[in-house]
Amino acid sequence: DSGVTQTPKHLITATGQRVTLRCSPRSGDLSVYWYQQSLDQGLQFLIQYYNGEERAKGNILERFSAQQFPDLHSELNLSSLELGDSALYFCASSAGTAWQPQHFGDGTRLSIL
Amino acid sequence: QKEVEQDPGPLSVPEGAIVSLNCTYSNSAFQYFMWYRQYSRKGPELLMYTYSSGNKEDGRFTAQVDKSSKYISLFIRDSQPSDSATYLCAVNSGGSNYKLTFGKGTLLTVNP
Repeated sequence: DSGVTQTPKHLITATGQRVTLRCSPRSGDLSVYWYQQSLDQGLQFLIQYYNGEERAKGNILERFSAQQFPDLHSELNLSSLELGDSALYFCASSAGTAWQPQHFGDGTRLSIL
Repeated sequence: QKEVEQDPGPLSVPEGAIVSLNCTYSNSAFQYFMWYRQYSRKGPELLMYTYSSGNKEDGRFTAQVDKSSKYISLFIRDSQPSDSATYLCAVNSGGSNYKLTFGKGTLLTVNP
């Protein structure tokens, strides 16, 4: 158990809808990262938050947004969903004060019908 | 050219074999090198990480980094059926950039 908790485990929704994925980092970790995993692209970095502030952005679509709350949990919001958004979405966390390895949750599987 | 290249396999070996998994990368700025193991329907689990060049050993696992050839390896000795999983290499340039860049993963099956 990595200590990173993601909910829900599986989401099924339709095109055009909006969903929210939730992540609780390991105790003491200040940085949260979001990644998308698809069969063709592999694991791709989306965005990083550190102690409530956006720190880095990767290949994140404008339809996607994230935030980190004062209790350090994070949410990834996906809107105007398309079939191609079907993927596994992983959250990872690290201490964030200096380089430390990232530990991943078990992900949310998003299926768009 | 992709930043990290990894042979997707699949790789099938008998129990007890020595397994060699490899990645190449293109950017010489990468300083941190990681191996993750991912079981089906689970998240990536950190196996080992190294900084700069050299070897690191942890039980049956050995990670090697050769920065001169931009080549990273993971060796698994006395492989077990429980080692059957997808193995992902990841790299990072350090500094203020904590983003991980992953290979696509190699699917390993260890047959009893």
